[in-house]
Amino acid sequence: SQQGEEDPQALSIQEGENATMNCSYKTSINNLQWYRQNSGRGLVHLILIRSNEREKHSGRLRVTLDTSKKSSSLLITASRAADTASYFCATDGNTGRRALTFGSGTRLQVQP
Amino acid sequence: DARVTQTPRHKVTEMGQEVTMRCQPILGHNTVFWYRQTMMQGLELLAYFRNRAPLDDSGMPKDRFSAEMPDATLATLKIQPSEPRDSAVYFCASGLVLGTGDTEAFFGQGTRLTVV
Repeated sequence: SQQGEEDPQALSIQEGENATMNCSYKTSINNLQWYRQNSGRGLVHLILIRSNEREKHSGRLRVTLDTSKKSSSLLITASRAADTASYFCATDGNTGRRALTFGSGTRLQVQP
Repeated sequence: DARVTQTPRHKVTEMGQEVTMRCQPILGHNTVFWYRQTMMQGLELLAYFRNRAPLDDSGMPKDRFSAEMPDATLATLKIQPSEPRDSAVYFCASGLVLGTGDTEAFFGQGTRLTVV
């Protein structure tokens, strides 16, 4: 079963708009990571936020983490057509097994 | 330019045949993951190695799947015998465990397997 579940499943916006994707998870975590996947390619790491952090920025990306609600959000500001991809959250659980468990992803379409 | 290399990129095989997928992790990485991606199930963890030792393969059907790391530069995933339901994209990822215990995964391009 998926540890993380992204919401929405699909999102279509215009270039220049902001895109927000959410991730909910079930168990305690050490960290939560966001990855991007272009069609037909492997996943690329975007950003990692540790369980004791609440917010992190990287370029046009902003990630928040609320461990009390077991949720995270990824905000992409000033989106570009090149941001079109699927975005996945991945959790690194603290149950001893430090493998990454991925959610089902959000498909983002940025219209030029 | 360090990257995870997977071979083959595409494989079409008949049901019942053995399939071997190979992965060359990034030099110096001590963690290797195998994932399977399908439309229905998303990304499923199949196996996970740390310093070449298997830590978790609970997501892998043991009767037909096997994963090994013969050395630090090669990870293999075998399916024998293959079945149509094994059709998927198989990803290998490698990572380096940081002092915090965190691992960022670097993915290969995947092997697209079709079993007919």
